[in-house]
Amino acid sequence: DTAVSQTPKYLVTQMGNDKSIKCEQNLGHDTMYWYKQDSKKFLKIMFSYNNKELIINETVPNRFSPKSPDKAHLNLHINSLELGDSAVYFCASSPWVTVTDTQYFGPGTRLTVL
Amino acid sequence: GQQLNQSPQSMFIQEGEDVSMNCTSSSIFNTWLWYKQDPGEGPVLLIALYKAGELTSNGRLTAQFGITRKDSFLNISASIPSDVGIYFCAGQLGSNTGKLIFGQGTTLQVKP
Repeated sequence: DTAVSQTPKYLVTQMGNDKSIKCEQNLGHDTMYWYKQDSKKFLKIMFSYNNKELIINETVPNRFSPKSPDKAHLNLHINSLELGDSAVYFCASSPWVTVTDTQYFGPGTRLTVL
Repeated sequence: GQQLNQSPQSMFIQEGEDVSMNCTSSSIFNTWLWYKQDPGEGPVLLIALYKAGELTSNGRLTAQFGITRKDSFLNISASIPSDVGIYFCAGQLGSNTGKLIFGQGTTLQVKP
């Protein structure tokens, strides 16, 4: 069984479009995260939710809007896509909001904006 | 913002050799983690360190949490081809937000 799953795996789209990436975890964790990995493999946190409540909101353009319908799901919606949004986006989850319980990452969604 | 300096950036070694990589920071971290990322996959946790000075092993992997809480190293002994990948250090500051700061990664290639 996949612990943290993301869809789609690959997403190719035109500039200006709106797209969503979905994430689900079946680990019963309370906290979920979105990370962006750029072309140089640098991983940076974007958002985290704990029990559907926004905890971390890094300096991310407001074109990015996370939504957590329940604690097992954290989706990422991106409006007006730009070339610089091309990256791999990782979802992660952890049992509690403190990282000492470690974070489990999904397989990633490679977004390519043309 | 906080930064982790990870080195070396890449390594190309012969199978059977030992490998060492490290991370340093100007900030004090409460927790140090080491992850490995295979191509096309998400990072997977290798070792977690919670106390200054802690030395922890996981098979052929050994990692230490620096006494100053500003650094950590990861050693891999007797490398094998499946050790290929990108290794990331990550640290958590004192807050309880779960926010991880990642190093730039060390790309390891192993020649059979």
